[in-house]
Amino acid sequence: ETGVTQTPRHLVMGMTNKKSLKCEQHLGHNAMYWYKQSAKKPLELMFVYNFKEQTENNSVPSRFSPECPNSSHLFLHLHTLQPEDSALYLCASSQWAFGTGAVYEAFFGQGTRLTVV
Amino acid sequence: AQKITQTQPGMFVQEKEAVTLDCTYDTSDQSYGLFWYKQPSSGEMIFLIYQGSYDEQNATEGRYSLNFQKARKSANLVISASQLGDSAMYFCAMRGLQTGANNLFFGTGTRLTVIP
Repeated sequence: ETGVTQTPRHLVMGMTNKKSLKCEQHLGHNAMYWYKQSAKKPLELMFVYNFKEQTENNSVPSRFSPECPNSSHLFLHLHTLQPEDSALYLCASSQWAFGTGAVYEAFFGQGTRLTVV
Repeated sequence: AQKITQTQPGMFVQEKEAVTLDCTYDTSDQSYGLFWYKQPSSGEMIFLIYQGSYDEQNATEGRYSLNFQKARKSANLVISASQLGDSAMYFCAMRGLQTGANNLFFGTGTRLTVIP
C-alpha cells in the first residue's frame, strides 16, 4: 500500500457541482498539505494542517473548503468551481517538529486531475 | 519571504552521461532545508534528496548529489549515469525553519529528457 493515497485520480465536474477530493496517509505523519499544480506555474500551497489544525490558508477562494478529521485523512470539498480551477491537486504529508530544528521531507500522493467544464 | 528559481525549463542529456539541474533560492531564514523532487508523467512527486542549511557535506543519494553553495544560495542537483527512466520533471523546494510556518515552496521545475 502506498504511503499517500488520493482519490479519485481523475474528476470532471460542472461549475454547479459539489465534489470532494480525498487524501489518506499511512505514514504516521502529523502534517498534511494540499497543493495545486497548474500548467507552467510553480506548485501552489493551498492549505496546511498540523496536528489536525489548519495553520495555513494561502488566500484560497472559499469555493475550496478543506477538512481534516484526523491526522491520517484530509479532504478538499469543491463547490461552484471555475474553469481556471482545472489543475492537478496534490496531497502531501510529513512530520512537523516545530522548534526542534528538524526538517522532514514531504511525501506526495499521485494527485487528482480535475477538469471543470 | 522565500523564493525558489529554476532557470532551465528543459534539459537534454545523453544516456549514461551526467547532468546538472540548477536551483537558486532566496530566504531570510538562517536555518532551512532544501529538497529535490522528481515528477514522472504519472503525476506523483517523488522525494530524491535533502540538504540542510547547516550541513557541511553535500548530500548524496545513490546517483543523485546536491551541489550546495550556501554563499551563492544555490542547490544544484547532479544526476550521474543518466538512465531513460530519469526523464521527468524535477522540482527544487525549500522549507524555512524560523518562520514557524510549515510550508514547502517549489520552483517552476525543469523537464529532463534522457536521449538513448
